[in-house]
Amino acid sequence: NAGVTQTPKFQVLKTGQSMTLQCAQDMNHNSMYWYRQDPGMGLRLIYYSASEGTTDKGEVPNGYNVSRLNKREFSLRLESAAPSQTSVYFCASSPASGFSNEKLFFGSGTQLSVL
Amino acid sequence: AQKITQTQPGMFVQEKEAVTLDCTYDTSDQSYGLFWYKQPSSGEMIFLIYQGSYDEQNATEGRYSLNFQKARKSANLVISASQLGDSAMYFCAMRGSRTSYDKVIFGPGTSLSVIP
Repeated sequence: NAGVTQTPKFQVLKTGQSMTLQCAQDMNHNSMYWYRQDPGMGLRLIYYSASEGTTDKGEVPNGYNVSRLNKREFSLRLESAAPSQTSVYFCASSPASGFSNEKLFFGSGTQLSVL
Repeated sequence: AQKITQTQPGMFVQEKEAVTLDCTYDTSDQSYGLFWYKQPSSGEMIFLIYQGSYDEQNATEGRYSLNFQKARKSANLVISASQLGDSAMYFCAMRGSRTSYDKVIFGPGTSLSVIP
């Protein structure tokens, strides 16, 4: 059972470089999420997608773009990386939209450093 | 705007003792869900317990229980009989919005250390 798969696991970028974090889930989930985790700040929601074809901004969307490529895949793009984007990024998914009791299933995270 | 507050950055508890981790939230929604997740040093996120805003009874899952006080907008996690393996970060989360339940936000977390 793969669950939620994130690639890469580690990445080092120089300021101004671009990159795309990939996320795929094999659980036929409708909703997908991108979070960043910084010490003392918990997980902050960057973008989420309630269903294929829809995306919405979260708490900290500036500097990021997302694409819900299909039901399985939800990618996060940094167009011009900044040191402030150094963080651990988590992708998550949940089964369906519209229910309050659905827990999140998380990927293992991507450690991103921007120099 | 929705917000979750966890006022205890770090907590210590003696092994086999009970501990309460605080969580308060702010929302104008009437219907929402509250969750607790555990993150050990390995980094994985582990779901612990869920409480719905309309649930009349406090949720329980093994050694975990949720002290839900809706009027005070608090959802504290109680861990009974603490074990060394309980040492981890604990995050309170809320699912709910005016239009859908898709948005899920987290609090800043509490680091729990269990002392032998």
